[in-house]
Amino acid sequence: DSGVTQTPKHLITATGQRVTLRCSPRSGDLSVYWYQQSLDQGLQFLIQYYNGEERAKGNILERFSAQQFPDLHSELNLSSLELGDSALYFCASSADRGMGYTFGSGTRLTVV
Amino acid sequence: DQQVKQNSPSLSVQEGRISILNCDYTNSMFDYFLWYKKYPAEGPTFLISISSIKDKNEDGRFTVFLNKSAKHLSLHIVPSQPGDSAVYFCAARPFNFGNEKLTFGTGTRLTIIP
Repeated sequence: DSGVTQTPKHLITATGQRVTLRCSPRSGDLSVYWYQQSLDQGLQFLIQYYNGEERAKGNILERFSAQQFPDLHSELNLSSLELGDSALYFCASSADRGMGYTFGSGTRLTVV
Repeated sequence: DQQVKQNSPSLSVQEGRISILNCDYTNSMFDYFLWYKKYPAEGPTFLISISSIKDKNEDGRFTVFLNKSAKHLSLHIVPSQPGDSAVYFCAARPFNFGNEKLTFGTGTRLTIIP
């Protein structure tokens, strides 16, 4: 157990639907990062939150949004889902000035 | 624009021999480099890191080498063991607070042959 908890582990949904992925960071970590891993692709950075504020944004589609709540857990919302959104979505957290991340085990999203 | 590149998608190595995984980067602002290991159905786990003030960092069977002038780093695993079979990701970031985003390569799948 890495200390970063992601739910659900698996999600199957239809095109056009909306889903919410949840992440609880490791205790004490202020930063949360979301990454997408599609088939045979590396980890693509989506967005980072630090202590409730958006800190950095990557290749995140307009159909996707995220937030970090006062208790530091984060949610990634994916809407108007397309087949190409099928991927593994990883959440990671890091300590203040932390040099590396701790990853959760991911949510596998399948859009049918 | 792939700023961190792992040009070998896969690598097979005999058990007991040395595994060498390579990574190239293009962004000269990168100052800190990490390797992550990923097993199926699990998230990546941190393996070893190196900052740009060093050219080598060792941790047990794992050694990372950094050649800043060539913008190249490599991970050496010796001796290789069956449990090392996994996907290895190279990652990089600038060394400044406020920019902690890691940029990852596409990964190399290492298979250790018993």
